[in-house]
Amino acid sequence: EVQLAESGGGLVRPGGSLRLSCAASGFSIDYAAMNWVRHAPGKGLEWVAHITYSGRVTFYGDSVRGRFTISRDNGKNELYLEMNRLRAEDTGIYYCVAESFSGYYLENWGHGTQVTVS
Amino acid sequence: DMRMTQSPSTLSASVGETVSITCRASENTNQWVAWLQHKPGKAPKLLIYKATILDRGVPSRFSGSASGTQFTLTISSLQPDDIATYYCHYYDSTSKTFGQGTKVEVK
Repeated sequence: EVQLAESGGGLVRPGGSLRLSCAASGFSIDYAAMNWVRHAPGKGLEWVAHITYSGRVTFYGDSVRGRFTISRDNGKNELYLEMNRLRAEDTGIYYCVAESFSGYYLENWGHGTQVTVS
Repeated sequence: DMRMTQSPSTLSASVGETVSITCRASENTNQWVAWLQHKPGKAPKLLIYKATILDRGVPSRFSGSASGTQFTLTISSLQPDDIATYYCHYYDSTSKTFGQGTKVEVK
């Protein structure tokens, strides 16, 4: 069974930093493009970042570009999100998501980790 | 940039009713549209991808349809377990765009 387990969330002051991790089990992320998606309180889902299976290419949503960095370690089967210069509007649940091998849709989701900037 | 306009924002229906949620894309999508179900405190769940293809294990009362840039999720015979927020999302190789979400309630 595919499982994605996020960790590293917490309470941080505005301007601070956090590093989220996502450990995959039940499948190898070697050939899967990976994403981070967040859910702010009272709002809808928002795509945050994408990284290709090799890790060579990354893309970011407008609201986080230049502040967040997505990376991966295929040897450890892990995905990361380095978040800097955090703002109150970055508060929310952050989900690690694996894309389908056969398309670009978001297929497998973790349960999320809470980030609170206050 | 792609925009997905989803409606309604909330809907309330009785058990057994058929309900529909619509998303309109601002540009051509090549039918790269998926639907997700999100229950409070749980991971979002993929229901449909490529506009009409049901993901494995998803009950057959869920279906997706497409007409040009308009996409529809239909739940036939609504069940109490279907209480959730539903999102459409456009996907391509570089980004994803979500609709605003539709909260489904059972009367």
